[in-house]
Amino acid sequence: GAGVSQSPSNKVTEKGKDVELRCDPISGHTALYWYRQSLGQGLEFLIYFQGNSAPDKSGLPSDRFSAERTGGSVSTLTIQRTQQEDSAVYLCASSKMGTDTQYFGPGTRLTVL
Amino acid sequence: TQLLEQSPQFLSIQEGENLTVYCNSSSVFSSLQWYRQEPGEGPVLLVTVVTGGEVKKLKRLTFQFGDARKDSSLHITAAQPGDTGLYLCAGETGGTSYGKLTFGQGTILTVHP
Repeated sequence: GAGVSQSPSNKVTEKGKDVELRCDPISGHTALYWYRQSLGQGLEFLIYFQGNSAPDKSGLPSDRFSAERTGGSVSTLTIQRTQQEDSAVYLCASSKMGTDTQYFGPGTRLTVL
Repeated sequence: TQLLEQSPQFLSIQEGENLTVYCNSSSVFSSLQWYRQEPGEGPVLLVTVVTGGEVKKLKRLTFQFGDARKDSSLHITAAQPGDTGLYLCAGETGGTSYGKLTFGQGTILTVHP
């Protein structure tokens, strides 16, 4: 079956612009996670969704970052007024339930000029 | 804040050599996971260890979870060029209803033919 997909795969934007990153989880997976990965580094947790609710938003770095999930499926991560330090790979993962194995998408590489 | 220290950060070896990657923390984790990530892709789960002292083998890879569940190691025997990639350890925090993962910084392994 299809895995987790993310779009776009690459995004180049200018400082101060808003960006939207999309994640399509595996069908039937109720849990969805967003992570950020700096070049060659480990992953930093951003937010966790169970269904359409986000019980843990503790990893969002600032109020410029927000995320939503609709229909218990697609999720969008929005970064407003992007800064150069936002440049990173943004990864999405989904799992059947909250405690199950997480399956990762290929990520969106964001570059802020 | 729970931290996972992973070492070494970089490892460059010749085909046929053995290597060990370490993952250490002052915190106790309910489980410890190891992932491998290739360029342009998301991390892929290799193994999960849950019991202190547990040892798991996956072909030429041996994973160990420390007795106190604070540390783990990944040993690769007779490394091959196909083992090249970013290896990540991730600890799962207990006491939550979902698999919140704390990642180490990663080890970039290069195996030369």
